[in-house]
Amino acid sequence: NAGVTQTPKFQVLKTGQSMTLQCAQDMNHNSMYWYRQDPGMGLRLIYYSASEGTTDKGEVPNGYNVSRLNKREFSLRLESAAPSQTSVYFCASSLGQGSFYNEQFFGPGTRLTVL
Amino acid sequence: AQTVTQSQPEMSVQEAETVTLSCTYDTSESDYYLFWYKQPPSRQMILVIRQEAYKQQNATENRFSVNFQKAAKSFSLKISDSQLGDAAMYFCDYYSGNTPLVFGKGTRLSVIA
Repeated sequence: NAGVTQTPKFQVLKTGQSMTLQCAQDMNHNSMYWYRQDPGMGLRLIYYSASEGTTDKGEVPNGYNVSRLNKREFSLRLESAAPSQTSVYFCASSLGQGSFYNEQFFGPGTRLTVL
Repeated sequence: AQTVTQSQPEMSVQEAETVTLSCTYDTSESDYYLFWYKQPPSRQMILVIRQEAYKQQNATENRFSVNFQKAAKSFSLKISDSQLGDAAMYFCDYYSGNTPLVFGKGTRLSVIA
């Protein structure tokens, strides 16, 4: 039982390059989330998927796209990376909105630097 | 929209002493959950404690307890017998059935040996 896994752990991009961050969970959770954490800041929600087949914008969606590939996997894509997207990205999953507690389980994070 | 405010960017505590981290939130909903997450230097987010708004009894998990004041919309975390391993960022979070978690900006806790 690996929980929530993210790849890659580190990435350096040049401005304008694209990349996809991968996230997978093996807890049979319905909901998945992508957050970014800037230095000294809390987590800000980029996108979330309340259930397989649905995605919704969070607080800071501009410059990102997501795909809920199946129940296990939720990817985040940067089409044209900008230095402002330098951050640590966390994926999380939970049983689902409306579920009791709805505790989120987090992946280890991806540190992305855009030059 | 719901907001979560942590007014203490940094706190420090002597080992074995007690420290309280503050959190206030704003909501018009009556049923919701509150969480404290810990983020050590490893960056891994770890759930510390949770509280259901409809429960009057304050949640407790070993050395961690909360002071939940629903009318005041306050949710503070008390850490007793502080240990070096408690040094981390602590995030207060709000959840209702209608929105994903709303995070505060965090409090960095240092533990002094």
